[in-house]
Amino acid sequence: AQSVTQPDIHITVSEGASLELRCNYSYGATPYLFWYVQSPGQGLQLLLKYFSGDTLVQGIKGFEAEFKRSQSSFNLRKPSVHWSDAAEYFCAVAGGNAGNMLTFGGGTRLMVKP
Amino acid sequence: NAGVTQTPKFQVLKTGQSMTLQCAQDMNHEYMSWYRQDPGMGLRLIHYSVGAGITDQGEVPNGYNVSRSTTEDFPLRLLSAAPSQTSVYFCASSSVDRSKDTQYFGPGTRLTVL
Repeated sequence: AQSVTQPDIHITVSEGASLELRCNYSYGATPYLFWYVQSPGQGLQLLLKYFSGDTLVQGIKGFEAEFKRSQSSFNLRKPSVHWSDAAEYFCAVAGGNAGNMLTFGGGTRLMVKP
Repeated sequence: NAGVTQTPKFQVLKTGQSMTLQCAQDMNHEYMSWYRQDPGMGLRLIHYSVGAGITDQGEVPNGYNVSRSTTEDFPLRLLSAAPSQTSVYFCASSSVDRSKDTQYFGPGTRLTVL
């Protein structure tokens, strides 16, 4: 069965600092990988996705993620964090018996210090 | 395009009551799904559908029923609510076309069972 682990439950960074959120997945075949962001009280917004091809994926809001098959990782990065980036971030993998349904990690809550 | 809509936004039930969470999408998506979100556990798949008349169980289906009589609608029924079903529920839809394989999420329904 597929699974996703986000090792960091909470992360605090200063505004303007760089950010890396970790995501490790377990899946037998080539995974479809996603990062979603959720602001408080809101639904989920897709930041970026990886299906195939270039392993460095660019997303919205200045985010990028790199797929590393050898490490089963899909870490999310941003070079300079803005206060508006404070939110919860979810990594997810699609595939398996449930078609393109998603298996999510537990989420990482990002706080941004002024 | 309204995207994915969910009603109600908030609901309080007593143990043993029944209710239906509504979900509709206007993107002509074949896939629809229900997830529940609990703190520290990300989102977990309850039920999903790959088309009208076809439904299947996800990771946590117990206590929930679904049906898919039209492409647009995918209601989730709680037959006898339990406190363990207190959660935030998200409906999602996506195309079966892998090249467009992004799930779009509704705004969520926050359910409290007393």
